[in-house]
Amino acid sequence: KNEVEQSPQNLTAQEGEFITINCSYSVGISALHWLQQHPGGGIVSLFMLSSGKKKHGRLIATINIQEKHSSLHITASHPRDSAVYICAAYGNQFYFGTGTSLTVIP
Amino acid sequence: DAGVIQSPRHEVTEMGQEVTLRCKPISGHDYLFWYRQTMMRGLELLIYFNNNVPIDDSGMPEDRFSAKMPNASFSTLKIQPSEPRDSAVYFCASRPAYSTNTGELFFGEGSRLTVL
Repeated sequence: KNEVEQSPQNLTAQEGEFITINCSYSVGISALHWLQQHPGGGIVSLFMLSSGKKKHGRLIATINIQEKHSSLHITASHPRDSAVYICAAYGNQFYFGTGTSLTVIP
Repeated sequence: DAGVIQSPRHEVTEMGQEVTLRCKPISGHDYLFWYRQTMMRGLELLIYFNNNVPIDDSGMPEDRFSAKMPNASFSTLKIQPSEPRDSAVYFCASRPAYSTNTGELFFGEGSRLTVL
């Protein structure tokens, strides 16, 4: 059983669509990270959340501690958003989701 | 700042050889993390340091793996002896002690290790 579950595993969207990626976790955590990994392999940390909501440009991340659930939203999606998005929950150790592969078609 | 710097970017070695991966974190960052990524297991945390002290090494697979951080600007991850199942991309990341609004972890470009 994975402590962190992401959905969907794969997602294809048309440019401009609103996108939601979900992350559920089963362990107690102090923070949750959203990571972005581009096809070239480099990893960028998008957000670290411990409560509420954070916004950066077209990206919004929310977390509901009671429900043990986080979402990453992308508004007005663009082909350059195509990447794998990884959820990582930190309690007494890091637990990683398996990633959501997003493809945005022009 | 140049970001987190890892070396080598690519390493191909034979089973049984010693492998040393290096990482220079961003200046002023208090935390340093070593991760491993494979197709089968995804991203895994191996070990992390706070102010050069190892805090959690529960992700280190076995005694063949060791990590050191002799000072605030340098860390190594050593595999001795290496095995084919160690083939992976190894990432180093660092972050400051206090949170900022957005991305908290700064990743290096990774070291791709292939053990034949």
